[in-house]
Amino acid sequence: EEQLVESGGGLVQPGGSLRLSCEASGFSFSDYEMNWVRQAPGKGLEWVSYISGSDNTVYYADSVKGRFTISRDNAKNSLYLQMNSLRGEDTAVYYCARGGWLVFFFWGQGTLVTVSS
Amino acid sequence: QSVLTQPPSASGTPGQRVTISCSGSSSNIGINTVNWYQQLPGTAPKLLIYSNNQRPSGVPDRFSGSKSGTSASLAISGLQSEDEADYYCAAWDDNLNGVFGTGTRVTVL
Repeated sequence: EEQLVESGGGLVQPGGSLRLSCEASGFSFSDYEMNWVRQAPGKGLEWVSYISGSDNTVYYADSVKGRFTISRDNAKNSLYLQMNSLRGEDTAVYYCARGGWLVFFFWGQGTLVTVSS
Repeated sequence: QSVLTQPPSASGTPGQRVTISCSGSSSNIGINTVNWYQQLPGTAPKLLIYSNNQRPSGVPDRFSGSKSGTSASLAISGLQSEDEADYYCAAWDDNLNGVFGTGTRVTVL
């Protein structure tokens, strides 16, 4: 069974850092492009970042550029999002999603990040 | 960051046809394909339509998509109670950003 399981969310103070993980199983992880998408409470979806399957091409939304870093470890079937200099507006459920060009056939269940003092 | 504009709400009675619009620009919908997602309350989004008008396996043919110029549409025919959800369009932008629509809540009356 194909699965994406996010972890690492929690409460963090403004200016703090957090690292999200997304563990994949049931498919050949290295064959797929991956993304992070977030959703603030009661709000719409926002694409955050993209990483290619093997050559580590990455893209970021302007709202997180310079603060967030996407990475992957294909040997561990894992995707990561290092989030630094966190702000209140980064409070959201963060989903990992499989695919490219915003065609996401498969999503994780999400992990909640709350930025608050 | 650019966004795709959708009406905030749409509604219909069971069996009716509902259409949701998605307005973009020449930097996103105008040059790239459009995808649609359905999000039921408390769950992750689900891909409903990709490449403007393609349905993933398992998506009923009541759902259809189209694109013209810098706009796209999602149609739900034969509306059912389980279609009550939030719907989002999405497209890649030539600024190397992914862009989602503002979202439309569909209510079945």
